[in-house]
Amino acid sequence: EVQLVESGGGLVQPGRSLRLSCAASGFTFGDNAMHWVRQAPGKGLEWVSAITWNGGIIDYADSVKGRFTISRDNAKNSLYLQMNSLLPEDTALYYCAKGLARLGYWGQGTLVTVSS
Amino acid sequence: DIQMTQSPSSLSASVGDRVTITCRASQDISNYLNWYQQKPGKAPKLLIYDASNLETGVPSRFSGGGSGTDFTFTVSSLQPEDFATYYCQQYDNLRGAVQFGQGTRLEIK
Repeated sequence: EVQLVESGGGLVQPGRSLRLSCAASGFTFGDNAMHWVRQAPGKGLEWVSAITWNGGIIDYADSVKGRFTISRDNAKNSLYLQMNSLLPEDTALYYCAKGLARLGYWGQGTLVTVSS
Repeated sequence: DIQMTQSPSSLSASVGDRVTITCRASQDISNYLNWYQQKPGKAPKLLIYDASNLETGVPSRFSGGGSGTDFTFTVSSLQPEDFATYYCQQYDNLRGAVQFGQGTRLEIK
């Protein structure tokens, strides 16, 4: 069974940093592209970042470019999102999702709240 | 960047109704278009991929169509469990990026 479990969320002050993790199991993590998608409270889905299986292609939404860094450790079956210079508008539930063109599996999300 | 315009933003319907949601891309995206269902407090669930292919295990009352810039998502006969929010999503194969539509909230009339 495919499982994706996000962690690392919490309450953080504006301008600070946070690192999210996504632990994957039930599939060959190293063969799959992964995405981070977020959802602000009461709002729609917003794509954040993507990384191909070997990190050869990495992309970011304009709203996070230069502040967020996606990475992966295939030996640890883990995906990461380093978030720096956090803004109040980064407050959201952050999901990791498996796939390249289509996101077939999602975690349950980890909540990030940016507030002073 | 490719922009996705999804409509309507909300829709009221009754059990047994047929409903259709549309998604328009700002440029040709071939068939790189997927549809998701999200229920409150839950992660999105993939229903339709590559515009018209039903994900494994998804009931056949769900269907998708279109190519290029105009796409549709249809529920042929609404069931109580179908009341949820639906999103279209396109894939930019040159960048690896994806983009979601604004969502359609399907409510019980």
